[in-house]
Amino acid sequence: QKEVEQDPGPLSVPEGAIVSLNCTYSNSAFQYFMWYRQYSRKGPELLMYTYSSGNKEDGRFTAQVDKSSKYISLFIRDSQPSDSATYLCAMSARSGGSNYKLTFGKGTLLTVNP
Amino acid sequence: GAVVSQHPSWVICKSGTSVKIECRSLDFQATTMFWYRQFPKQSLMLMATSNEGSKATYEQGVEKDKFLINHASLTLSTLTVTSAHPEDSSFYICSASGRGRDTQYFGPGTRLTVL
Repeated sequence: QKEVEQDPGPLSVPEGAIVSLNCTYSNSAFQYFMWYRQYSRKGPELLMYTYSSGNKEDGRFTAQVDKSSKYISLFIRDSQPSDSATYLCAMSARSGGSNYKLTFGKGTLLTVNP
Repeated sequence: GAVVSQHPSWVICKSGTSVKIECRSLDFQATTMFWYRQFPKQSLMLMATSNEGSKATYEQGVEKDKFLINHASLTLSTLTVTSAHPEDSSFYICSASGRGRDTQYFGPGTRLTVL
């Protein structure tokens, strides 16, 4: 079993739809959870950063973490064509320092159609 | 913000030559920098981790003599691909974390094509 599982999609939705992206994980040591957005031929861009269980909202984006189920989600409200990208979940057991690493999901390719 | 730059953004070289890629943190001190490789439609593959002033730690299967990493200052790390071959063609991305930054921030990536 991989440490982080993420459905690669592709996921195609109409403009204005609510998008739900998910990852599951097996390592209970993970405490820090991130979502990155990666446009084609670009580096990943940090969207959301959360610590432990709970919700965090930033504009049209909401990140949810359920540590009891080892499940994280990213919701995008009122999706726009500019949201079309690959979304990577990432997680770590530490927040920094030496030997700090992220474990990534494979990424979900999202297309928002006008 | 947390801005990380990479240079060059793309490079084409002949087989057998060496290529150097620079990664800079522009607005924070990067105590740790990471180098990733990404093939088309695949996720990021960590190659190595470097702490400022220390030797890099390479992931299993990554040739340290082929991919030379230097992290000489808190704002600059370099990756040198030595004696490049066509199979080294890929998208190389660096990231940085450091003081006041709880996670990794990525550069825009460098596309390497070896002919």
